[in-house]
Amino acid sequence: DADVTQTPRNRITKTGKRIMLECSQTKGHDRMYWYRQDPGLGLQLIYYSFDVKDINKGEISDGYSVSRQAQAKFSLSLESAIPNQTALYFCATSGTRGDTQYFGPGTRLTVL
Amino acid sequence: QQQVKQSPQSLIVQKGGISIINCAYENTAFDYFPWYQQFPGKGPALLIAIRPDVSEKKEGRFTISFNKSAKQFSLHIMDSQPGDSATYFCAASPFFSGNTPLVFGKGTRLSVIA
Repeated sequence: DADVTQTPRNRITKTGKRIMLECSQTKGHDRMYWYRQDPGLGLQLIYYSFDVKDINKGEISDGYSVSRQAQAKFSLSLESAIPNQTALYFCATSGTRGDTQYFGPGTRLTVL
Repeated sequence: QQQVKQSPQSLIVQKGGISIINCAYENTAFDYFPWYQQFPGKGPALLIAIRPDVSEKKEGRFTISFNKSAKQFSLHIMDSQPGDSATYFCAASPFFSGNTPLVFGKGTRLSVIA
């Protein structure tokens, strides 16, 4: 089984809808991250969490929110989706030292 | 201060050739420099990483060269193969501070043609 799983893998939704992307990990890591990937823009950090009670904004947090339900679960929400949030979203985890990040398979989100 | 600049944006190399991707940083607190490899439809995965106590690290056909004074580091792929075709991301962080996430470059799409 994959160490980092993301659901759903693909989602098409309409402008204004609320969307939740979920991430689960079995690596026992404390740190979890949400990234957005757009062609030519690389990986942009949305939010990150160093433990269950710690949530931090990344470089592009506007329009997004997160919830760290447990050590193993980190969810990303789009409260009111807009077309320019169409992108590939990745969840990642890392150990306490914060070195190697392990990425999930990604969620492709399309907002019409 | 947090930016990592990566070039080129795309690269086409003949099979058997050398692929070279460059990155530059400004934050002198950065002391951990990994490279991630991403195949289409997959998440990025760690390929190789270097700490600034060495100027070069080699793993198989992949080599990181690090120039601390110039604040630059590069990835060299020797004997490039079609299976190396992927997007490569450099990244940097202050390793021992532990509280700053990796900062990624914008990526290089490598195509190795036969």
